Amino acid sequence: GEDVEQSLFLSVREGDSSVINCTYTDSSSTYLYWYKQEPGAGLQLLTYIFSNMDMKQDQRLTVLLNKKDKHLSLRIADTQTGDSAIYFCAVRGGSQGNLIFGKGTKLSVKP
Amino acid sequence: EPEVTQTPSHQVTQMGQEVILRCVPISNHLYFYWYRQILGQKVEFLVSFYNNEISEKSEIFDDQFSVERPDGSNFTLKIRSTKLEDSAMYFCASSDWAASYNEQFFGPGTRLTVL
Repeated sequence: GEDVEQSLFLSVREGDSSVINCTYTDSSSTYLYWYKQEPGAGLQLLTYIFSNMDMKQDQRLTVLLNKKDKHLSLRIADTQTGDSAIYFCAVRGGSQGNLIFGKGTKLSVKP
Repeated sequence: EPEVTQTPSHQVTQMGQEVILRCVPISNHLYFYWYRQILGQKVEFLVSFYNNEISEKSEIFDDQFSVERPDGSNFTLKIRSTKLEDSAMYFCASSDWAASYNEQFFGPGTRLTVL
């Protein structure tokens, strides 16, 4: 079945860029997502990319998609302490849009 | 801003007991989901629900699990006879399917602890 993998931890200094990487196995997913989870809260959609795009930029966020290598990345420019959270990569699986998630990358931002 | 709510935030139960986890999806949404996350593991899809019936379910969602939308507002997940391995965070999500990217809105989760 579909599998999504991502590294578990990333630590950066405030003001630096953060890059969170994800790989997936099934290339048929039409949409790929990044969700953010803050402590005590549910998962919140941060951004998504359509599979026929290579890049999507949304303010400080840049999503890169390499379909050949089945690699998705999320870049956060000028990372702030408020960006500290767990970031989940997800792809669509099934006909009803259920999501397949990675384990999540815990981003720690040091002042 | 509308949000998905879940109750209780934490449920502790004895092995073999029945539990019901409750969710109130966003009011105009039509698609509902349950996911779970065992500590340290991935968020896993359990079941999707549309038009008052299960539309898709995973291998995890066996006969011990059931879902219901009893009153047009709540969406519940019942575990008939809990096992130790059911201990996890359970997330409810809803979607209106209007957007092609199918944004799912998640609740804050219910932490289930089975002793």
